[in-house]
Amino acid sequence: ETGVTQTPRHLVMGMTNKKSLKCEQHLGHNAMYWYKQSAKKPLELMFVYSLEERVENNSVPSRFSPECPNSSHLFLHLHTLQPEDSALYLCASSQDGGGASGSPLHFGNGTRLTVT
Amino acid sequence: AQSVTQLGSHVSVSEGALVLLRCNYSSSVPPYLFWYVQYPNQGLQLLLKYTTGATLVKGINGFEAEFKKSETSFHLTKPSAHMSDAAEYFCAVSDRPSGTYKYIFGTGTRLKVLA
Repeated sequence: ETGVTQTPRHLVMGMTNKKSLKCEQHLGHNAMYWYKQSAKKPLELMFVYSLEERVENNSVPSRFSPECPNSSHLFLHLHTLQPEDSALYLCASSQDGGGASGSPLHFGNGTRLTVT
Repeated sequence: AQSVTQLGSHVSVSEGALVLLRCNYSSSVPPYLFWYVQYPNQGLQLLLKYTTGATLVKGINGFEAEFKKSETSFHLTKPSAHMSDAAEYFCAVSDRPSGTYKYIFGTGTRLKVLA
């Protein structure tokens, strides 16, 4: 399998549930990202990991908890979410410093999350 | 601070007509610029990018974009629209060589192609 793979594609969860989103990249990249895409809003950067170390955390509420066990895998652990957290969550990867080197982002197909 | 403005959240063109999607940016240093396309129920796919060198950049699916520093623009064009071009298009900018991992995205332009 090639590219960036996200599972599950769709997730419905109640506000008291705990769930996790998974991302795997097969591109040999050294940086991985979580973005949130909501209707009529720009893409929001949530977290960035470079060489398994978190390098960006854009004031994301603590109910979102990322984990990067190795350079190929990225998780987003979810707990006690709110209805406004419903969105498309996109994982991406890049090589060699990402934006600073001109390396583009490679995106997965996203997880459509609905919080009820 | 970086920013990206995409003029027109929705653009409609007839099949075979010119596609022009506008993107203006602001950046304190020479930027890296990107165009991405998103089809329904999919992630974003890179169309093309500008880093250095030639200011007219060719991408996939017949799209191209021209970096105009004096106008701080990076408009996306395609000479003849196909039905399969219907999608949402995002312009993005990244500073260099700031060492950050921030790509700033525009709010997107949804392209509709009329038969």
